[in-house]
Amino acid sequence: NAGVMQNPRHLVRRRGQEARLRCSPMKGHSHVYWYRQLPEEGLKFMVYLQKENIIDESGMPKERFSAEFPKEGPSILRIQQVVRGDSAAYFCASSLEDRGIQETQYFGPGTRLLVL
Amino acid sequence: AQSVAQPEDQVNVAEGNPLTVKCTYSVSGNPYLFWYVQYPNRGLQFLLKYITGDNLVKGSYGFEAEFNKSQTSFHLKKPSALVSDSALYFCAVRGNFNKFYFGSGTKLNVKP
Repeated sequence: NAGVMQNPRHLVRRRGQEARLRCSPMKGHSHVYWYRQLPEEGLKFMVYLQKENIIDESGMPKERFSAEFPKEGPSILRIQQVVRGDSAAYFCASSLEDRGIQETQYFGPGTRLLVL
Repeated sequence: AQSVAQPEDQVNVAEGNPLTVKCTYSVSGNPYLFWYVQYPNRGLQFLLKYITGDNLVKGSYGFEAEFNKSQTSFHLKKPSALVSDSALYFCAVRGNFNKFYFGSGTKLNVKP
């Protein structure tokens, strides 16, 4: 059973460009979480999605950031008009729902975004 | 408010000695508690979890954690540290509406 997959692993963008990060959850998992991690810091929650639904986006900046998890295909975190402050590691985690409860989150290897 | 606190930014221990990484939590209802480990330039790896049952939970790589309801703590422990245990450790709690809260992380340094 393949784990959570993220691509690209590294992404370099110039200021003003768009960054598109992909996450494929573990097989059978229908819930995806996105986190951001700055160097030497902890994880900051961004958004929680279920297939075709955004459950909680309270951690995501109101502008330039969006996320989706379509019925088919990976979850996408999209950052428009990137700025240097967006440089960070972005992690995706997936979980399995059991009677309405999300238990263990399993993390992908992350995408390291560098904005020049 | 729901939250997790890891009071130590860094823990230093000699190889072969026991280690403890501290975690306290605040959540309404019964807590679901987790420990993860992160090696440099890698994602978080699941170590162990407490859902219900025995307060002492055993996990991967010889780690264990003790749930203490009265102290709202979930400290990570290992009887004998290895140099290869050196990494960043995160405690997490599942809060309301399936939202997870992570601590700020504790860097564990195990010296030979």
